[in-house]
Amino acid sequence: LAKTTQPISMDSYEGQEVNITCSHNNIATNDYITWYQQFPSQGPRFIIQGYKTKVTNEVASLFIPADRKSSTLSLPRVSLSDTAVYYCPEQADKLIFGTGTRLQVFP
Amino acid sequence: DARVTQTPRDKVTEMGQEVTMRCQPILGHNTVFWYRQTMMQGLELLAYFRNRAPLDDSGMPKDRFSAEMPDATLATLKIQPSEPRDSAVYFCASARDRVDLRPNNEQFFGPGTRLTVL
Repeated sequence: LAKTTQPISMDSYEGQEVNITCSHNNIATNDYITWYQQFPSQGPRFIIQGYKTKVTNEVASLFIPADRKSSTLSLPRVSLSDTAVYYCPEQADKLIFGTGTRLQVFP
Repeated sequence: DARVTQTPRDKVTEMGQEVTMRCQPILGHNTVFWYRQTMMQGLELLAYFRNRAPLDDSGMPKDRFSAEMPDATLATLKIQPSEPRDSAVYFCASARDRVDLRPNNEQFFGPGTRLTVL
């Protein structure tokens, strides 16, 4: 399986931009890069997916360089409600989530 | 607003007892996943089904865990006998195949069942 690596935790303050980077070792040619968000006491929620370059939706932006060996999830102007765990799961015919990046936003 | 539902939401039981968790996937979704989440291991895939057929249960302890889909609207995860190390939150998720039949990475998760085995 392709292996992803991301930081265990990050801290930020309200109003700042947060960038979480994930490395995608051995990503397969056909794999898309997907990010999920999980709030306490809830199941994970799909937030964004891309193949290359940049994708933006109402929640976040996803930047993928040409070699696709990494991806960066960008959260503009975070608020307290963005405190959550963010995952960039490994992919094959299934998603492997791991422990994710725990983002804590302070006032 | 279609959602994955799971029952029960919380379960406390004693070691050795049988535990059954149920999941109703979103109508029209043909792939169902079972995950387990703990602080130490994070979110682990236990098993998944496509069109009710089990595709992969390699993440599941075979001696005590079993997963089934009696019909398209119900998936079950059973633990018999339960042990304290099974204490975790168990999530069910569902997805719909892409038109091009590639794996669909957009999974919809239920609220989870918090299991405590004493």
